Amino acid sequence: QQQVKQSPQSLIVQKGGISIINCAYENTAFDYFPWYQQFPGKGPALLIAIRPDVSEKKEGRFTISFNKSAKQFSLHIMDSQPGDSATYFCAASETLSWGKLQFGAGTQVVVTP
Amino acid sequence: NAGVTQTPKFRILKIGQSMTLQCAQDMNHNYMYWYRQDPGMGLKLIYYSVGAGITDKGEVPNGYNVSRSTTEDFPLRLELAAPSQTSVYFCASSYQDNEQFFGPGTRLTVL
Repeated sequence: QQQVKQSPQSLIVQKGGISIINCAYENTAFDYFPWYQQFPGKGPALLIAIRPDVSEKKEGRFTISFNKSAKQFSLHIMDSQPGDSATYFCAASETLSWGKLQFGAGTQVVVTP
Repeated sequence: NAGVTQTPKFRILKIGQSMTLQCAQDMNHNYMYWYRQDPGMGLKLIYYSVGAGITDKGEVPNGYNVSRSTTEDFPLRLELAAPSQTSVYFCASSYQDNEQFFGPGTRLTVL
């Protein structure tokens, strides 16, 4: 049973457009929500992360929005570029769980020129 | 720093064979993890370790074993390989429960 549900499975966006990926979770003990970016043939790499004490975090063109009451969080990629074409995974973990991450199923983003 | 290294990059096994996937990190991280990645399924935790000599099962441990005799190394052992173990395997490490750094992966096919 997937503890973190991610949608959509895939996404095609034009260069300059906005990519939005959504994740939902059930475990209210989760208190750390990272997003990982993975290019073909590579391992995932941390892109941006948020904790529930804030509702939004922005780093460059990447923004996480967090809704604690709805148990949802999302990644927004502004001004999408062809170099952003990758698979994105949301994840969640709780304090005192030895950093064990529960991953979403992933979203393949393709940015067309 | 090399970060997290994994060997081999690719391997084909026959059903019933055994092998060890190697993982090493040079960042002096205390936590290490093994994941498998299957298409459309995200990453599933197989085993993890919080320090030398300490390991525990993750979500999908059946058919695998691990050991952690040093801080740097965390090998994953497959005994009696089965087609269901065809996957891409990633090793990761972190300092405490902070950012996890992933290796480049091992693509394993069991025929």
